[in-house]
Amino acid sequence: QLQLQESGPGLVKPSETLSLTCSVSGDSIRSTNYFWGWIRQTPGKGLEWFGNIYYTATTYYNPSLKSRVTISVDPSKNQFSLKLRSVTATDTAVYYCGANGWGSLQFFDYWGQGKLVTVSS
Amino acid sequence: NFMLTQPPSVSESPGKTVTISCTRSSGSIASNYVHWYQQRPGSSPILLIYEDSQRPSGVPDRFSGSIDSSSNSASLTVSGLRTEDEADYYCQSYDRSNSWVFGGGTKLTVL
Repeated sequence: QLQLQESGPGLVKPSETLSLTCSVSGDSIRSTNYFWGWIRQTPGKGLEWFGNIYYTATTYYNPSLKSRVTISVDPSKNQFSLKLRSVTATDTAVYYCGANGWGSLQFFDYWGQGKLVTVSS
Repeated sequence: NFMLTQPPSVSESPGKTVTISCTRSSGSIASNYVHWYQQRPGSSPILLIYEDSQRPSGVPDRFSGSIDSSSNSASLTVSGLRTEDEADYYCQSYDRSNSWVFGGGTKLTVL
């Protein structure tokens, strides 16, 4: 059974870069079955998709966030990562990593437990 | 881009059937698949329905999904309501810019 676990700082200062890592267990990130990605959840904006990545590092980003976001994959560590630049208080959210095991870009059938990240000085 | 609109809340009694709607603001609901997630308090979302009406393995057949082109909406129906079904439910689709669109979520209360 595939399992995902987010890790990274829970507190980030305004204007800095938020960096989170998702560790994958139960299967290889190199598996051709999966797309990997990130979503966040805030009380105000609800669920918001950042983007997806394939193990080959092909990425698909949310156009409204693309200028600030980088999603990358590290097959040697069986991990993938999210970087969100120039954060403000509105980026305070629970961040989830997710995966689709059907080779589809359109939904997640696996989710991490979520990581609360607060943006504050 | 389009929006997906859900009622903020619905409520029903145990054993009954409830339907949660997800209305697309522009473009045809049939243009892109709709998926549904359940999120219990303090937990991550769980995929409940994918591609309009398909249930992942392990999801009870009390949960069903459909689309209705006449109302340009998707629906999630939960039959035989149980107290454990109390949760937030989100619809999600995929727009032409290859971006995901989520509904605002519906809080289901089982009275």
